[in-house]
Amino acid sequence: EAGVAQSPRYKIIEKRQSVAFWCNPISGHATLYWYQQILGQGPKLLIQFQNNGVVDDSQLPKDRFSAERLKGVDSTLKIQPAKLEDSAVYLCASSLGGSAYNEQFFGPGTRLTVL
Amino acid sequence: GQNIDQPTEMTATEGAIVQINCTYQTSGFNGLFWYQQHAGEAPTFLSYNVLDGLEEKGRFSSFLSRSKGYSYLLLKELQMKDSASYLCAVRDIGNTPLVFGKGTRLSVIA
Repeated sequence: EAGVAQSPRYKIIEKRQSVAFWCNPISGHATLYWYQQILGQGPKLLIQFQNNGVVDDSQLPKDRFSAERLKGVDSTLKIQPAKLEDSAVYLCASSLGGSAYNEQFFGPGTRLTVL
Repeated sequence: GQNIDQPTEMTATEGAIVQINCTYQTSGFNGLFWYQQHAGEAPTFLSYNVLDGLEEKGRFSSFLSRSKGYSYLLLKELQMKDSASYLCAVRDIGNTPLVFGKGTRLSVIA
């Protein structure tokens, strides 16, 4: 079974530039998550999708971050414009959904460096 | 609010046993997860507890006490490859997203 795919794996940009990340979840997984993980910390949820609807985006900085999951499969996360403090690993995860025990499977992440 | 605490770093010797503690304060509780994360890699699932008691899976065991808001991950017969960060995560209620602690970085030395 293929895992969660993410691209690119690494991205270096200058502050005020824009960047987009892509995620393809495990086939059949209804729930998709984007996390931000700053060095030395645990992952922090940015947004959760159930199929193509947003379940929780309370911690998404909506003035600069946006995410979509068209057709309920792939998802993109965009930052526009980027700030220095956005330097982090952006992890995408997916789960089957629908029960309390929802093991989340993580992708390899995109390491973003903002200069 | 939600608060999850774990020690920042631990060091243990190859072949030994180590216990990584996690305490949590959440408004609700619907399960606690442990993940392993090697440097530069994605977290991978280790264990899940929703009822009090010990869950054993090979060299790894996880314990939960809901009344104390406490869990631990026990690693036996430590190997060098166990050097990684161990993340404690709690699901508040229903199918809400996991809330992660900052992780415990374990170093296994010879």
